[in-house]
Amino acid sequence: GENVEQHPSTLSVQEGDSAVIKCTYSDSASNYFPWYKQELGKRPQLIIDIRSNVGEKKDQRIAVTLNKTAKHFSLHITETQPEDSAVYFCAASIRIQGAQKLVFGQGTRLTINP
Amino acid sequence: DSGVTQTPKHLITATGQRVTLRCSPRSGDLSVYWYQQSLDQGLQFLIQYYNGEERAKGNILERFSAQQFPDLHSELNLSSLELGDSALYFCASSVSLPEGTGFDNEQFFGPGTRLTVL
Repeated sequence: GENVEQHPSTLSVQEGDSAVIKCTYSDSASNYFPWYKQELGKRPQLIIDIRSNVGEKKDQRIAVTLNKTAKHFSLHITETQPEDSAVYFCAASIRIQGAQKLVFGQGTRLTINP
Repeated sequence: DSGVTQTPKHLITATGQRVTLRCSPRSGDLSVYWYQQSLDQGLQFLIQYYNGEERAKGNILERFSAQQFPDLHSELNLSSLELGDSALYFCASSVSLPEGTGFDNEQFFGPGTRLTVL
């Protein structure tokens, strides 16, 4: 079945250090992998995404890598800042009979310590 | 602001009652998705509609139903409410690419409706 595992569930890093969050997915048909940031009580906001025809994507301090063979993708945040503190969700998209379905990981609560 | 609107923002009701949550997608988006997020939990996909038709179902209870209207807004109906139905309910919308393009695309989330069942 469709499953996305996300680790760690909580992560605490010093301001300026890097943070890495890892996800694995089960369905080899997954072709789109977004990462969402959710602040307390607010909506999830897309921060970066990657499609299965690309191995890595960067956007300023944020990068995502994808290993299709291992069914594994990761979020990297460099030079972390206090405003990076939030819950981060990975997701894998599969298309079933024309319908898109996003399966989310359980989330990582990231805390940046000043 | 994602362009997706949801009403109401908050809803407090009693067990056994029925409520309706409303979502308006971004202008031009034909697909609407509903998600449930319980306290300290991830996002659980409930159902997807595309241009008025149901396209995919997730872990949606039989007590829950949804529909998408000709103007593309969507409603999620929750009936015979139980304490465990208390959660944040998010709606998202996306541009649906034509069949055969192969890749999926970004979903834009609304601000959510916080449902509390007492």
